[in-house]
This record gives sequence, structure tokens and C-alpha cells, in this order.
Amino acid sequence: SQQGEEDPQALSIQEGENATMNCSYKTSINNLQWYRQNSGRGLVHLILIRSNEREKHSGRLRVTLDTSKKSSSLLITASRAADTASYFCATDARAAGNKLTFGGGTRVLVKP
Amino acid sequence: DAGITQSPRHKVTETGTPVTLRCHQTENHRYMYWYRQDPGHGLRLIHYSYGVKDTDKGEVSDGYSVSRSKTEDFLLTLESATSSQTSVYFCAISESRERINEQFFGPGTRLTVL
Repeated sequence: SQQGEEDPQALSIQEGENATMNCSYKTSINNLQWYRQNSGRGLVHLILIRSNEREKHSGRLRVTLDTSKKSSSLLITASRAADTASYFCATDARAAGNKLTFGGGTRVLVKP
Repeated sequence: DAGITQSPRHKVTETGTPVTLRCHQTENHRYMYWYRQDPGHGLRLIHYSYGVKDTDKGEVSDGYSVSRSKTEDFLLTLESATSSQTSVYFCAISESRERINEQFFGPGTRLTVL
């Protein structure tokens, strides 16, 4: 079963706009990560946020974590056509044997 | 990209035949993983290895076996392929127990079982 569930499943925006996607999970976690997957490629690690952190930034990426709501969001600011990809959250939880559990992903299309 | 290669990149096979997928890394990372990716399921862990000859089952291990005789190679075997094993298979590596969940992924193998 999936620990993380992304929302929305798909997102279409214009270049320059911000893209926000959410991840909800079911059990307490050690940390949560976001990955990007370009079409036909493997996943690329973007950012990790620990359970005791609330917000983290990396370049144009901003991740928040609300452990009381068991949810996280990924914000991509000033999107570019190159940001077109699928984005996955992955949780590391003791209930899952401290192995990563991935959600189904959000497909993002950034139109030029 | 991290030094991870997978072979073959594409394979078409028939039901009942054995298939072996190879993952090779040049990073000397201790942990290696095999995932499958299917629409609507995200990535699901098949097997993983925490050292040479040390492997364990993941979420969807039935019908799969693995071997790791060298640090750099992690093999995934489908003893008798079935159509339900049609999928994209990804290998991943991570460096250490402390950074166990910062995983680097290979390019994937697309397997079709007819």
C-alpha cells in the first residue's frame, strides 16, 4: 500500500507561474523526500525534510511539512519548461522498516 | 548522474522464460535496491541489499530473486516471467546507513512479457 499520496495527479501551468503539489501520508515518519522523474528517465533526488523541520528551501523549490496533518507540499516557483516532469514524494517510516515508500506522483506540464 | 547503469535497457520476452536484469554501480555504495514502476502504483520495492551477499525482501518480492556477489553488481532474476511482471524496473543505490534514504536511481529497464 502507498504511504504517500500526491495531489493533484496532474497539473498544467504556464511558464513563470508557480506549481504546488501536495503529499499526504498515513503513519509517523522519520523524513520525507521529493524526487523528480523526467520522461523515460530514473528518479532524481530533490530535497529531504526531516520530521522535526517545518520548511526547507533549495533554489526555486520550497518544501513544507506539517506532521500534525501528515502532509507535505512542494512549491516550484517561477516554473520553466524544463520543470516538466513527474514529482514523487517518498516517506521513510519505522512502520515501513525504515525503507522508502513512494506515492503515485504528480505529473507537471509547464507550457512555454 | 550517479554512476549507475542498468542492462538491458529494453527487453521483450515470453511468459515462462527466465529473465535477469543487471544493475552496476561505480560509486562503491553499500545499499542497492530494485523497484518496479507501474501506472497508479508509483515505485514499489522488490528487493534490496545492504552488503555483499546480504539481501532482503521488499513489498512485492514474490516471483523475483536477487543476488549480490560483488559490491558493484546487483542482479534481479525473474525465474519464470509472467505478464504481470511487465513493468519498468529501476535500480537505486544509497551510500551508508546514515544516508540510507538519499537514493540515486539508474535509468531503468523496460520489460515486456508477452
